[in-house]
Amino acid sequence: DIQMTQSPSSVSASIGDRVTITCRASQGINSWLAWYQQKPGKAPKLLIYAASSLQSGVPSRISGSGSGTDFTLTISSLQPEDFATYYCQQAKSFPYTFGQGTKLEIK
Amino acid sequence: QITLKESGPTLVKPTQTLTVTCTFSGFSLSTNGVGVGWIRQPPGKALEWLALIFWDDDQRYSPSLRSRLTITKDTSKNQVVLTMTNMDPVDTATFYCAHRLITGAFDIWGQGTVVTVSS
Repeated sequence: DIQMTQSPSSVSASIGDRVTITCRASQGINSWLAWYQQKPGKAPKLLIYAASSLQSGVPSRISGSGSGTDFTLTISSLQPEDFATYYCQQAKSFPYTFGQGTKLEIK
Repeated sequence: QITLKESGPTLVKPTQTLTVTCTFSGFSLSTNGVGVGWIRQPPGKALEWLALIFWDDDQRYSPSLRSRLTITKDTSKNQVVLTMTNMDPVDTATFYCAHRLITGAFDIWGQGTVVTVSS
């Protein structure tokens, strides 16, 4: 199985801050990576697919980059609605695997 | 507009078999490339991918749960069914079904169904 490791596990930030979350795959996955946002009691929401493609309706302050084993999700200017938990997921091979999540909290 | 909705029991006893149904609209599971997956999330924990079924009936499973899982589709009813045998309290979780993009990402998710395993 491909292991996905996110860092940090949690981060505190303020409105307007720039935040970067990292996801590392245990082996190369090309660009077969997605990012999700999840708020308490809600289903995950797709933000980024194919490592850097923005899902329709997702604000442009959110971006993804990387290929191979190292990936980043960046929120350029945090808004109140961005405080949530974020997950990466590899889709290079089965079994699909998710990272352990990064909780983004208000400072 | 694609929608998915999970249904099933909220409570199952240990050793019982869980059957959860995903009823969807806005796409056909007989269309080339389409897939529907199941993902679960124990309370306060991370997402865990369980299984996926493709338009051509190809089925993929989590190796760690393979012996307990079966995923099937009923194209005429627009449903995908997941069964999990020998349920244990550690299987308590919210179960989600989701539409899979060709990139492997899940773009549309159901609201989830909460399943508690307890005697």
